[in-house]
Amino acid sequence: KQEVTQIPAALSVPEGENLVLNCSFTDSAIYNLQWFRQDPGKGLTSLLLIQSSQREQTSGRLNASLDKSSGRSTLYIAASQPGDSATYLCASYTGKLIFGQGTELSVKP
Amino acid sequence: EAGVVQSPRYKIIEKKQPVAFWCNPISGHNTLYWYLQNLGQGPELLIRYENEEAVDDSQLPKDRFSAERLKGVDSTLKIQPAELGDSAVYLCASSLDLKYNEQFFGPGTRLTVL
Repeated sequence: KQEVTQIPAALSVPEGENLVLNCSFTDSAIYNLQWFRQDPGKGLTSLLLIQSSQREQTSGRLNASLDKSSGRSTLYIAASQPGDSATYLCASYTGKLIFGQGTELSVKP
Repeated sequence: EAGVVQSPRYKIIEKKQPVAFWCNPISGHNTLYWYLQNLGQGPELLIRYENEEAVDDSQLPKDRFSAERLKGVDSTLKIQPAELGDSAVYLCASSLDLKYNEQFFGPGTRLTVL
């Protein structure tokens, strides 16, 4: 059974700092991995999707990497801004989307 | 392009009452999902539809939960009767097809059972 873990559960950084969010999964036979953002009381916004054949995807200040062999993905956020404050969730897809518990990010002005 | 639409956004009911949630997926998306999200947790799949057919409902508590997707577009999720433990956010998502599977989520319905 796939298990997805995100560490840390919460992270607070000063504005402008580069940061990395971690995601690990137990079953490496994934089709893809997706990163989402969730603002309080809102639904999930898809940030990046990495297919199993890819190593990374980039969108603006966001870069997500995927290492299937080690069961890890990272989301790199460059030059963080207060507007980046939200909960970030990763999810692996093996025929079903399995989510981690999320990392709550707070970027202080 | 309109996103996934859900209603209502909030619902407060007393235990043992019925409740229904509605979802309209992104136009052209054949696959529709219902998820349950408890506070501080990631969403968990309840049911997945391919067009009108429910292809994965293994996590749906069928004694009290039911869902339908008539005509392969809109979907309704129902709970009858609701229990205190059903308080959560119910999220609907859709994707273009199963192969690519980038899922797009609606804003959710926050259910409170008193």
